[in-house]
Amino acid sequence: SQELEQSPQSLIVQEGKNLTINCTSSKTLYGLYWYKQKYGEGLIFLMMLQKGGEEKSHEKITAKLDEKKQQSSLHITASQPSHAGIYLCGADIPGSARQLTFGSGTQLTVLP
Amino acid sequence: SQTIHQWPATLVQPVGSPLSLECTVEGTSNPNLYWYRQAAGRGLQLLFYSVGIGQISSEVPQNLSASRPQDRQFILSSKKLLLSDSGFYLCAWSPGLADSTQYFGPGTRLLVL
Repeated sequence: SQELEQSPQSLIVQEGKNLTINCTSSKTLYGLYWYKQKYGEGLIFLMMLQKGGEEKSHEKITAKLDEKKQQSSLHITASQPSHAGIYLCGADIPGSARQLTFGSGTQLTVLP
Repeated sequence: SQTIHQWPATLVQPVGSPLSLECTVEGTSNPNLYWYRQAAGRGLQLLFYSVGIGQISSEVPQNLSASRPQDRQFILSSKKLLLSDSGFYLCAWSPGLADSTQYFGPGTRLLVL
C-alpha cells in the first residue's frame, strides 16, 4: 500500500518567516493534493499536482512535485497567523475508485 | 457552485445508543462520496465510499455502516455506539471520472460517553 510521510510533524515559526513542509511517498505519485485544516473544521483544498516538476502557487503558498514524482513540498513565504493550521497531503491510490490516502499532517503555528 | 453539508456539528451520545450522521451535497450530480474518521486531530481513516446510489464499499470492519439513499445524500450509522467510536467524522465528495479531488464538509465531532 502507498504511504505518505510528512515532515516535520509540527512547526512553529515567527510571523514573516518562510517555511517548507514535505510529503514523501513510498511509491510514484499520480496525483498529489494539499489541504489545510483548522482545528475542528473540515479540510480546505489548496492545490493538486500531477506532473513531475510541476509547481503551483496560490497567494503566498507554493507547492512543487519533484521530477521523480515521489516527493512534494509546500512552501509558505512571509508566513502570517492566518496560515496556522494543519497541512495534509493526499495522494491518488492507483486502481482505486478515486480514493486518496493521506499523510498524518503537519501542525503549523505562526507566532505574531 | 457545489457545497457540502454535515449535521449535526457536535454530538454527545451514551455508549450503546444508535447513531445517524448525515451528509448532503448540493450543486453536482452523481458524485463519489466518502466518510472518514479523524482521531487525535491528524490522520484520516477512510471508513466508507460510494460511487452511486445504494453502492457502498467498506474499508474498515467495525460497528458502523453507511447508506446512500439518494444521489447526493450519504448517511453514517451505528446500532450501538462504542467508546472507541468517538472522533471527528468528515464527509467528502469528488466529481469522479477524471478528477479525484475531494472536497470536505465541516465535520461532526462525536463524543461517546
